[in-house]
Amino acid sequence: AQSVTQLGSHVSVSEGALVLLRCNYSSSVPPYLFWYVQYPNQGLQLLLKYTSAATLVKGINGFEAEFKKSETSFHLTKPSAHMSDAAEYFCAVSVPAGGYQKVTFGIGTKLQVIP
Amino acid sequence: DTGVSQDPRHKITKRGQNVTFRCDPISEHNRLYWYRQTLGQGPEFLTYFQNEAQLEKSRLLSDRFSAERPKGSFSTLEIQRTEQGDSAMYLCASSPARGQNIQYFGAGTRLSVL
Repeated sequence: AQSVTQLGSHVSVSEGALVLLRCNYSSSVPPYLFWYVQYPNQGLQLLLKYTSAATLVKGINGFEAEFKKSETSFHLTKPSAHMSDAAEYFCAVSVPAGGYQKVTFGIGTKLQVIP
Repeated sequence: DTGVSQDPRHKITKRGQNVTFRCDPISEHNRLYWYRQTLGQGPEFLTYFQNEAQLEKSRLLSDRFSAERPKGSFSTLEIQRTEQGDSAMYLCASSPARGQNIQYFGAGTRLSVL
């Protein structure tokens, strides 16, 4: 079975400060890993993905994440927060399961950006 | 590519009523997924279709929940005899047959059961 742990259900940063959202995963097979962003009353938008290629993955809106197998982590970072980054962020792990990719999501981290 | 479309966006119903939601996936995607998202939680997988075949439905929450994809294109999710605990966001996602199986999500249907 696979699982995702997101540390910190709420994170606040000042505009221009570093954003760090933590994600640890558990999987019995090599997983695919994703970060999605959700704005209020909207669906999930893919930010970036790790699919066993480069361990440092760059995504949209200046976000990136590094896959660290030894730490079973896939933390999301952005050097400088913008007001428009305020949203909820979900880390997800995807593994093969009977002919399809089963995706398990974390509980999400709400990012607040303070002006 | 118009994205995944879900209808309606919001549904308010009284307890005991039946509701049906529709999902139109990205046109070339043959895989379709339904999720439920409750407040403060991540999306929870419900069921999966490959074309018209429902290949995984063990995670549907009860026998009041059912889903169809009769022609392998759009899908419907029905909840019978709704309960207040069914209030949630219901999300649909689709992915292509090949590649890394990245799932693309619709905006969801928010259900409120009074």
